[in-house]
Amino acid sequence: GAGVSQTPSNKVTEKGKYVELRCDPISGHTALYWYRQSLGQGPEFLIYFQGTGAADDSGLPNDRFFAVRPEGSVSTLKIQRTERGDSAVYLCASSLVASSPPYNEQFFGPGTRLTVL
Amino acid sequence: GQQVMQIPQYQHVQEGEDFTTYCNSSTTLSNIQWYKQRPGGHPVFLIQLVKSGEVKKQKRLTFQFGEAKKNSSLHITATQTTDVGTYFCADTGGFKTIFGAGTRLFVKA
Repeated sequence: GAGVSQTPSNKVTEKGKYVELRCDPISGHTALYWYRQSLGQGPEFLIYFQGTGAADDSGLPNDRFFAVRPEGSVSTLKIQRTERGDSAVYLCASSLVASSPPYNEQFFGPGTRLTVL
Repeated sequence: GQQVMQIPQYQHVQEGEDFTTYCNSSTTLSNIQWYKQRPGGHPVFLIQLVKSGEVKKQKRLTFQFGEAKKNSSLHITATQTTDVGTYFCADTGGFKTIFGAGTRLFVKA
């Protein structure tokens, strides 16, 4: 079946602009995660959705970052007033909420590479 | 805040040599997941360890969870060039997942 997809694959924007990054999870996966990965680093947790609600948004770095998942499927990560430091690969992952191990095996999308000039 | 440390940062091996990466935390880990990321790719789930002292094997890969649930390791026996990539451990307590910085493995044929 189809995996997690993310669009666009690459996004180049100018400092101060607004960007939206989209994630299509695997059908039936109720859990959705957003991460940010800089070169040479592990994925950095941003936000977790269970269904339509953000169950944990403690990883969002500041109020310029916002994410939605209005129908419990597709999610959009929105970044306002982008800064050069926002440049990174933004990864989305989805999982089932399992009652037995492996809990929350995450399936990652290919990522969106964001470059802020 | 919660941190997961991985060592070494990178390792170069000759094909056929063994490789081990270590994951450590100052706090008790809920459970550990291991992922592999090929160069230019995205993380791919390998395994999850839940129980104290748990050992799991996948072909040439052996995963261990420490007795105190504060550390974990991944050992690859007789590395192959297909093993190249970065190996991450992740603490998945609750739903907030904390990844280590990873160990990048280079394998020379």
